[in-house]
Amino acid sequence: DAGVIQSPRHEVTEMGQEVTLRCKPISGHDYLFWYRQTMMRGLELLIYFNNNVPIDDSGMPEDRFSAKMPNASFSTLKIQPSEPRDSAVYFCASSLEGGSVGNTEAFFGQGTRLTVV
Amino acid sequence: LAKTTQPISMDSYEGQEVNITCSHNNIATNDYITWYQQFPSQGPRFIIQGYKTKVTNEVASLFIPADRKSSTLSLPRVSLSDTAVYYCLVGFRRAGSYQLTFGKGTKLSVIP
Repeated sequence: DAGVIQSPRHEVTEMGQEVTLRCKPISGHDYLFWYRQTMMRGLELLIYFNNNVPIDDSGMPEDRFSAKMPNASFSTLKIQPSEPRDSAVYFCASSLEGGSVGNTEAFFGQGTRLTVV
Repeated sequence: LAKTTQPISMDSYEGQEVNITCSHNNIATNDYITWYQQFPSQGPRFIIQGYKTKVTNEVASLFIPADRKSSTLSLPRVSLSDTAVYYCLVGFRRAGSYQLTFGKGTKLSVIP
């Protein structure tokens, strides 16, 4: 497996534009996570899905952020409209349902570096 | 959610053993302790996980005292390639529920 695949790797956009980040999780993984990383706030969990269903979106900062998972092999994180303070690296990760209870090994993608100017 | 506290940074010479301690005073009965490693421009990578006592794998050891209020990641004989940020996480996974929050991490610099 190629691991978690994110696209694009880099995105530069103007304030007010819509931004869509994409993620392909590892095949067979039941959990999918979206994280945001900045120098000031570190790694923040935005939302996670279990079997394509959003379970906890309490980390989504504002209504401008939305995430979908239409099927087991694809997820998107959308920001509309984007603002300069959204500039960050966005990571997608996936994890298996199976295995020992308590297992929290998640596999991360390479991330998307978003710059909003 | 249990909060974790770890040193912001550490320096070590090549070949030394490095121990990074994480405090998690309000760890819950269900919580596991997990460590991740992150290199620049990459996503975090799982290193090791434990619940109590000692866990060892091919890259690290994890020591957890009986009260589980802290844990120590031990990296034997570090090399320059171990320079990275190390995160301690406390959380758990059950069917339909997943609690996993990253702290600020410890930046380890290995010096030749």
